[in-house]
Amino acid sequence: QKEVEQDPGPLSVPEGAIVSLNCTYSNSAFQYFMWYRQYSRKGPELLMYTYSSGNKEDGRFTAQVDKSSKYISLFIRDSQPSDSATYLCAPAEGNEKLTFGTGTRLTIIP
Amino acid sequence: DTGVSQDPRHKITKRGQNVTFRCDPISEHNRLYWYRQTLGQGPEFLTYFQNEAQLEKSRLLSDRFSAERPKGSFSTLEIQRTEQGDSAMYLCASSFRQYYEQYFGPGTRLTVT
Repeated sequence: QKEVEQDPGPLSVPEGAIVSLNCTYSNSAFQYFMWYRQYSRKGPELLMYTYSSGNKEDGRFTAQVDKSSKYISLFIRDSQPSDSATYLCAPAEGNEKLTFGTGTRLTIIP
Repeated sequence: DTGVSQDPRHKITKRGQNVTFRCDPISEHNRLYWYRQTLGQGPEFLTYFQNEAQLEKSRLLSDRFSAERPKGSFSTLEIQRTEQGDSAMYLCASSFRQYYEQYFGPGTRLTVT
């Protein structure tokens, strides 16, 4: 079993819809939970991160972590075509190493 | 500050050849990371430097792989005797204050024929 599981998609939604992206993980030592966005043929870019359980909002993006169920979520409100990309969850336990999920490929249809 | 840069962007080589990639981190970033990403997968950690010291290496980094960061600035990743299984995107990232805020370069895509 992989440390981080993520539905690879692809996921297609109409513009303006709310998008929910999810990961599960098995390592209880994970403390920091990052979401990266990767456009085609580019390196990943950090979207946002949370520490421990709870919610964090940044504009149209909300990250949610439930450590009791080892579940990580990213919500995108009012989705835009420019949000079309692969979204990678990347939890970390404090040892400098990020453990990435496989990524979910998202397409927003105009 | 133009971000993390990597060179070359693409490399095609024949099996058995040696290849070397370069990464220039964001200036003043003391931490530098190498990852490998294959199609349809997330990046996998290879190794990490703090300044010039290589502090961690993944078991993915076989003895054909070597990384250096002389003087704590740019870094090189060398693969000796390349194999077809080495074909992947090699990503470099750097960070400063918080290790989990890593800034990635565009990657070097390696194709071994």
